[in-house]
Amino acid sequence: NAGVTQTPKFQVLKTGQSMTLQCAQDMNHEYMSWYRQDPGMGLRLIHYSVGAGITDQGEVPNGYNVSRSTTEDFPLRLLSAAPSQTSVYFCASSYGVKSANSPLHFGNGTRLTVT
Amino acid sequence: AQTVTQSQPEMSVQEAETVTLSCTYDTSESDYYLFWYKQPPSRQMILVIRQEAYKQQNATENRFSVNFQKAAKSFSLKISDSQLGDAAMYFCAYRSLMWGAQKLVFGQGTRLTINP
Repeated sequence: NAGVTQTPKFQVLKTGQSMTLQCAQDMNHEYMSWYRQDPGMGLRLIHYSVGAGITDQGEVPNGYNVSRSTTEDFPLRLLSAAPSQTSVYFCASSYGVKSANSPLHFGNGTRLTVT
Repeated sequence: AQTVTQSQPEMSVQEAETVTLSCTYDTSESDYYLFWYKQPPSRQMILVIRQEAYKQQNATENRFSVNFQKAAKSFSLKISDSQLGDAAMYFCAYRSLMWGAQKLVFGQGTRLTINP
């Protein structure tokens, strides 16, 4: 049982480059989300999805795109990377959209550096 | 908007002692959930404990317990008999029942060091 899988684990980009952070879950979870973690700021929600074909913005969506074509996958796209996007990115999923008895399952994170 | 504040960037405790991590939050809602997550050096986010605001009884999970003071909007985490494996970043998080999704608002984190 793989849980939430994020790839890559580490990435270095130059300013202006684009890339996609991959997230896949094998638990048939409805809800998927992306957070970024910065020192002294905790984790902040970027985008989330409550099911295939449905996405919405979180607290810090600028500079990021998402799509949810399947239940399993929720990629995060950086169209033109900026140094301010240097961060650790976490994907998280849960079975129930509203249920508190379905806790968030986190991936192991992707450390992204933009130079 | 809801905010979560952890005022202790770093804490340290002797092995086998007890330590309390502080968390306060700001909300106008009456029903919500609160969580403590642990992040060891491996970067993995691990749910430690959760509390439903409508429950007056403080949640407990083995050596971990909370002191939930709803009127004061305070949600502290007590770790008893601290072990070396407890060393990690700890994050407090809030989730509204009004939100149609599992969105969490996190505090800034507290780095806990365990001294042998």
